[in-house]
Amino acid sequence: KAGVTQTPRYLIKTRGQQVTLSCSPISGHRSVSWYQQTPGQGLQFLFEYFSETQRNKGNFPGRFSGRQFSNSRSEMNVSTLELGDSALYLCASSLLSGGMGEQYFGPGTRLTVT
Amino acid sequence: KQEVTQIPAALSVPEGENLVLNCSFTDSAIYNLQWFRQDPGKGLTSLLLIQSSQREQTSGRLNASLDKSSGRSTLYIAASQPGDSATYLCAVQGTGNQFYFGTGTSLTVIP
Repeated sequence: KAGVTQTPRYLIKTRGQQVTLSCSPISGHRSVSWYQQTPGQGLQFLFEYFSETQRNKGNFPGRFSGRQFSNSRSEMNVSTLELGDSALYLCASSLLSGGMGEQYFGPGTRLTVT
Repeated sequence: KQEVTQIPAALSVPEGENLVLNCSFTDSAIYNLQWFRQDPGKGLTSLLLIQSSQREQTSGRLNASLDKSSGRSTLYIAASQPGDSATYLCAVQGTGNQFYFGTGTSLTVIP
């Protein structure tokens, strides 16, 4: 069974631009969660989607948004990029919603904002 | 809000040694706890998941225990190997319906 895939793996953007990251969960998983990882803040929860609905949201500004498609693939969008958005963005898929099930992580997208 | 702490932040041991990593959490009302390892610049690999009704889980040289009442979990690694060098993270899922991660323990196993 294929694991969680994320594209692109690396991205360099300029301040003020916007970016879209993609995550394809393990086949059969309907929950996709997004996390931001930085050296200073560690892993922080962004949001979770389950069956195309946002179920939970972390404490991030509205510039961070996401969506989920009917095939459970999810996208995360960040608008008006800031230097502080440079981070490793990880997505995780699970059979169950709300972190109830075991989470499986993708390799991440390394975003650098210059 | 759930807070998860991992001690120590870094650990260096000679190959072959047994070791224990610690994870503590402030809200004992959790549904499960999961241990992960992360290699530099990579995603997270799930090691063990302990449901709230369980007290421990084992996988190969790894054993994780959970004491909900005291808000603690330990990850025991037997006969450590250089390939075990990585950052180990614990995450708890509680009433907030999301995973809260600790800051991790960076492990170096010296050949």
